[in-house]
Amino acid sequence: NAGVMQNPRHLVRRRGQEARLRCSPMKGHSHVYWYRQLPEEGLKFMVYLQKENIIDESGMPKERFSAEFPKEGPSILRIQQVVRGDSAAYFCASSPLAGEQPQHFGDGTRLSIL
Amino acid sequence: QQQVKQSPQSLIVQKGGISIINCAYENTAFDYFPWYQQFPGKGPALLIAIRPDVSEKKEGRFTISFNKSAKQFSLHIMDSQPGDSATYFCAASIVTSGGSNYKLTFGKGTLLTVNP
Repeated sequence: NAGVMQNPRHLVRRRGQEARLRCSPMKGHSHVYWYRQLPEEGLKFMVYLQKENIIDESGMPKERFSAEFPKEGPSILRIQQVVRGDSAAYFCASSPLAGEQPQHFGDGTRLSIL
Repeated sequence: QQQVKQSPQSLIVQKGGISIINCAYENTAFDYFPWYQQFPGKGPALLIAIRPDVSEKKEGRFTISFNKSAKQFSLHIMDSQPGDSATYFCAASIVTSGGSNYKLTFGKGTLLTVNP
C-alpha cells in the first residue's frame, strides 16, 4: 500500500517563476492537507482540500499561492512569482475521512529559490 | 502566536538513557496530542498519540505523559538507541465535532542525538 507520494522531491526555481508541487494521497484517502516547514521551524498548516473542494485555506498566503484537488489526478500546490522567502519544505498529508487523525505525511518537496 | 511550545530545542543522550521532550499548549480546546518523528529528508511519521482522558500512554519504549491541568505533555523514550536520533515534533488538534479537527498545530521540534 503506497504512502503519500509527493513530487518533485526537490525543485529549484528562479525568482519570478512558478512552482507546482504535486501530491497523490494514500489509496482510499480523499482528504488532503498541505503544510509548510521553514528551517528550524515546525510544520505550519496551509490548506485543507477534499476532491474538487477547498475546505479551509486560512493558512495560505493571500497572494501568489493556490491549491486544487481535482476529481482526477493529484492535488497541486501552486506558487506564482516565487520569492526567496518561499524557500521551504512543503509537506502533504492525507486522511481517509474528514478531519480524521492521524494524518499520514509524504516526504515533502524541498523548494529552493535562486 | 505560538500555541504549542516545545523544549528543549536539542538533546544529547547516551545509548540506554532516557530521552525526555516537553510540550506546553495554550488552547484548552485541543484534545488530540500526537508526537511525530522525522528523519532527515523524510516526512513526519506518527509515533504515538494521546487523548486528554488518560494521563499516560505507552507503546514499546515510547511513553506520553499528559497533565491536563498544567496543559503540558511529554514524550519519554526509554533505553534510547542511536537509531532514535531524529527530530521529534509534538502537535495538537481539536478532533471533537465542531472543531478545526484537521489542523495540526506543531511545536518547533527537538533534535535528538543518541550517542553510541
